[in-house]
Amino acid sequence: AQKVTQTQTSISVMEKTTVTMDCVYETQDSSYFLFWYKQTASGEIVFLIRQDSYKKENATVGHYSLNFQKPKSSIGLIITATQIEDSAVYFCAMSPVNTGNYKYVFGAGTRLKVIA
Amino acid sequence: EAAVTQSPRNKVAVTGGKVTLSCNQTNNHNNMYWYRQDTGHGLRLIHYSYGAGSTEKGDIPDGYKASRPSQENFSLILELATPSQTSVYFCASGVQNTLYFGAGTRLSVL
Repeated sequence: AQKVTQTQTSISVMEKTTVTMDCVYETQDSSYFLFWYKQTASGEIVFLIRQDSYKKENATVGHYSLNFQKPKSSIGLIITATQIEDSAVYFCAMSPVNTGNYKYVFGAGTRLKVIA
Repeated sequence: EAAVTQSPRNKVAVTGGKVTLSCNQTNNHNNMYWYRQDTGHGLRLIHYSYGAGSTEKGDIPDGYKASRPSQENFSLILELATPSQTSVYFCASGVQNTLYFGAGTRLSVL
């Protein structure tokens, strides 16, 4: 069974600094997708960024990037030049690839507070 | 733009009553999901579906049923609601590499 663990419950950082949120996962699948989603204060949940397990290059989208360490089953989210509007809850998730099972499993979330 | 609509947005139910949460998507996605969100647990999968007529149990299906009568609609049914089912429920539709979430339904069972 798949499992996703986020050990950081909450993080506070100063605006314009860089923050890293940790996520480790467990799976028996040889190929899988890893995701980060953001839940804003209004409750809206939006997709941020994805890493394909068979790709060695770390994914980057805007000021979001990933630190994918496959041997450690780890996928960290890095936010550079943080802004107040980055304050939110961030969820790590995973799903298998090409098995016909599109079951997404989420972690418990990390609450980020960006302070001016 | 992907669109997933949940109704109602807020619901107060009585213990032992029947509750139906509805979800509609206009993306023509085969896969749809129901999650509940509770503090400390993140998003936990209740039921999901691969297409019209199919439902699959997720990680916490006890006390819930699901129905997928069409590609667009996916319902979550609480036949006998209990206070432990007080939570925020999210529906999502998606393809394998992205999920699109609805705005959520806040359910209180008194």
